[in-house]
Amino acid sequence: QTVVTQEPSLTVSPGGTVTLTCASNTGAVTSGYYPNWFQQKPGQVPRALIYSTSNKYSWTPARFSGSLLGGKGVLTLSGVQPEDEAEYYCLIYSGGASWVFGGGTKLTVL
Amino acid sequence: EVQLVESGGGLVQPGGSLRLSCAASGFTFSSYWMSWVRQAPGKGLEWVANIKQDGSDKYYMDSVKGRFTISRDNAKNSLYLQINSLRAEDTAVYYCARAKWLDYWGQGTLVTVSS
Repeated sequence: QTVVTQEPSLTVSPGGTVTLTCASNTGAVTSGYYPNWFQQKPGQVPRALIYSTSNKYSWTPARFSGSLLGGKGVLTLSGVQPEDEAEYYCLIYSGGASWVFGGGTKLTVL
Repeated sequence: EVQLVESGGGLVQPGGSLRLSCAASGFTFSSYWMSWVRQAPGKGLEWVANIKQDGSDKYYMDSVKGRFTISRDNAKNSLYLQINSLRAEDTAVYYCARAKWLDYWGQGTLVTVSS
């Protein structure tokens, strides 16, 4: 059974840069895992940010970017804004047309 | 504008059943995979199931196989989730979402399993 691990919490200063990662217990996360990233603020519906590793939606702010690094999926926020404080989830393909979310990273902007 | 509107949630006793619906508009429903995702109170997101455009392929998370059934009616632009043998741990907000990438989400419908 695939387990996806994210940092439980991270703190970043306004204007700073932060990297969130997404790891799988089955091995290195590659493009074939199609990592996706979502943002969820308290009381709100999740919002898609990144699909298939690094592709952005029309509504994705330019300061968000996705990549692969060191066998993990990565979401990088550059020039963090106070409104970026939220929970971030990755989603990866686990095979057999099934998908698995990570446990989420609570990002605090302080 | 893409819109997804879920309905059908509610309070149900353990062992009971519910049928969730998701009405889609603003896009060609029959051209997209569709998915269900749930979120227990105060917990993270959990991928539940998805279904191919024509309904011929369906996939589920392990813990719901045999209890949940995803289906769709392309003529009605609607997605469904039949949930049977409900357990307390199925208590969650259930979201429908478009495509495998989950690019658009509905507002969700709350399912509470309790006696």
